[in-house]
Amino acid sequence: EVQLVESGGSLVQPGGSLKLSCVASGFTFSNYWMDWVRQTPGKSLEWIGEINTDGSKTNYAPSIKDRFTISRDNAKSTLYLQMSNVKSDDTAIYYCRTTAAYWGQGTLVTVSS
Amino acid sequence: NTVMTQSPTSMFISVGDRVTMNCKASQNVGTNVDWYQQKTGQSPKLLIYGASNRYTGVPDRFTGSGSGTDFTLTISNMQAEDLAVYYCLQYNYNPPTFGAGTKLELK
Repeated sequence: EVQLVESGGSLVQPGGSLKLSCVASGFTFSNYWMDWVRQTPGKSLEWIGEINTDGSKTNYAPSIKDRFTISRDNAKSTLYLQMSNVKSDDTAIYYCRTTAAYWGQGTLVTVSS
Repeated sequence: NTVMTQSPTSMFISVGDRVTMNCKASQNVGTNVDWYQQKTGQSPKLLIYGASNRYTGVPDRFTGSGSGTDFTLTISNMQAEDLAVYYCLQYNYNPPTFGAGTKLELK
C-alpha cells in the first residue's frame, strides 16, 4: 500500500525557517517525481513545486520561488521542503504527492508572531 | 498562470440528484485536467484524470468530460457519501493550477 507521511509542521514566526519531511513507503520512491501542494485556511489548493527522480531538477511556483527548496533522499525514501523567510500567507496544510493519485495526510504550518 | 474557474461555488442537492459542475480554463489545456474529491479533514482524492478517465475504484456514477477550455464533472444518482468539495486541476502548463472548488451540500 502506498503511504506518504508528512511531518515537521509547526508554529513559526514571520521571517523564520522550517523544514518539512515526507516519508514514502509501498512503492519504489526513486522511480517517481514528487511534488508539494498546500491548502490555505481559505481552502484553496496551490501547487508549490516538484522534483525529478534523482533530485537533479526542480520546478517551483513563482509565488514561492527563491524562498522554498525541494530536495529528496532516495536512500531514505524521503522528500523535503525547506521553507525560509516565511510569511503569514504561507500558513497552510502542506501535502506531498506523487503521480496524481497519492497524497499524504498533510502537515500544518502556521506562520504567526 | 492558467486560471481555472469553477462553477458553481456551492450546490444544495438531494440524494438521487444528477449533479453537474464546471471548470473553465483561461487558455487551452487540451485534456490535461484532473478532478479531485475532498471530504472534510481528508486529503484530496483523485476521481478523474485526463479529463475523462475514471481512476481505479471510482464509482461509474462519476463522469468527466471536456477538452480545450471547458470541462464538466457529472455525478449521476448522487449519494450521501459524495458530499464533499470537488476541485479541478490543469497540468498542461507550469505551474499546475487548481480551481477554487465546488462544495456539495444537502438541501
